[in-house]
Amino acid sequence: DQQVKQNSPSLSVQEGRISILNCDYTNSMFDYFLWYKKYPAEGPTFLISISSIKDKNEDGRFTVFLNKSAKHLSLHIVPSQPGDSAVYFCAASGGNNNDMRFGAGTRLTVKP
Amino acid sequence: NAGVTQTPKFQVLKTGQSMTLQCAQDMNHEYMSWYRQDPGMGLRLIHYSVGAGITDQGEVPNGYNVSRSTTEDFPLRLLSAAPSQTSVYFCATQSSGNTIYFGEGSWLTVV
Repeated sequence: DQQVKQNSPSLSVQEGRISILNCDYTNSMFDYFLWYKKYPAEGPTFLISISSIKDKNEDGRFTVFLNKSAKHLSLHIVPSQPGDSAVYFCAASGGNNNDMRFGAGTRLTVKP
Repeated sequence: NAGVTQTPKFQVLKTGQSMTLQCAQDMNHEYMSWYRQDPGMGLRLIHYSVGAGITDQGEVPNGYNVSRSTTEDFPLRLLSAAPSQTSVYFCATQSSGNTIYFGEGSWLTVV
């Protein structure tokens, strides 16, 4: 069963606008959440993370929001740039190295 | 600064053949792992190792073997390749925090 779900396989936004990528999880033991970005023919690279003791973490144009009661997190990219076009994976962990679970990914396309 | 290096990048196998995907890291991380990426499934953990001499199974270990004789290397062996093992494979290391560092991937097709 998929414990981390990204229900939107794709998202298209205009350059300069906001991109919002969503992620839901089912396991209440998850307490650390990450977003990874993947370009074609490359490995995923770490983008931003958030611990369950916070509800928001910001890094430049990227902000991750966590709603623990709804078991939902989102990644906001403002303003979106064409170079942000990639697949974004949401991941969640309960603190053990072997329990990190990934979502299926959302392909973001930012149009110039 | 190589980070995590995987070889080969592309491979075509016949059903029943065996092969080894190589992975080497220069980050001195104790934790290493192998994932496979399939459409609509995200990244799934195959095997992992918390240090030299120690390995364990992840979510989808069947059909794969691993060994960890050194901190730097973590090869993944396909014992008898099946079409269901057609996938993109990523080797990864993990620091003391929860951040995972991935290699560039190995594209495997089993015909």
